[in-house]
Amino acid sequence: QQQVKQSPQSLIVQKGGISIINCAYENTAFDYFPWYQQFPGKGPALLIAIRPDVSEKKEGRFTISFNKSAKQFSLHIMDSQPGDSATYFCAASFGQGAQKLVFGQGTRLTINP
Amino acid sequence: DVKVTQSSRYLVKRTGEKVFLECVQDMDHENMFWYRQDPGLGLRLIYFSYDVKMKEKGDIPEGYSVSREKKERFSLILESASTNQTSMYLCASPYPLGQGDVSNQPQHFGDGTRLSIL
Repeated sequence: QQQVKQSPQSLIVQKGGISIINCAYENTAFDYFPWYQQFPGKGPALLIAIRPDVSEKKEGRFTISFNKSAKQFSLHIMDSQPGDSATYFCAASFGQGAQKLVFGQGTRLTINP
Repeated sequence: DVKVTQSSRYLVKRTGEKVFLECVQDMDHENMFWYRQDPGLGLRLIYFSYDVKMKEKGDIPEGYSVSREKKERFSLILESASTNQTSMYLCASPYPLGQGDVSNQPQHFGDGTRLSIL
């Protein structure tokens, strides 16, 4: 019930394409869903986050789509760039982000120039 | 600029040693977290603390303990290191109120300690 399942494990996208990473959760009490981006040698950094009272949140080229009934959420990266190559983690928590996070398994994204 | 600082980037220890990983935050937040990161498993919570001298077990506390004597410092202790504890260890603390999205206080991570147990 505490798990967050993330797919795919790795993803290769051409420059300018759309990258899509999916996550599914089981516990309906989760109410905060962040995405983190991690570059080699660095800790994860918050990219974008959503609460379940909205179905979509967009920040620049990054969009979270949220489907409460299906208990799924996804990250879309539009016009993907080589600088977006990184590992992405979805996560979930109860309450605000100051609480403990349950992470997905991670997706290694490679954008080919 | 807010910071979470982990004392060592790389650490090599031997089986059976007692290992200390240190984390310091300057965000004056009560909450601090220790995660370990392994390929294909994501980040898993080891221990967390909501205040000085307070600690709670996370999902994988076995073989670990923690110490929180001061608000800004949270230490992870491997009581008797084993090879299966070779991993990347990440410390996190939330952004303080008044910075970023105040309704969420997202967690801010250090750059990690890559620990190898031989």
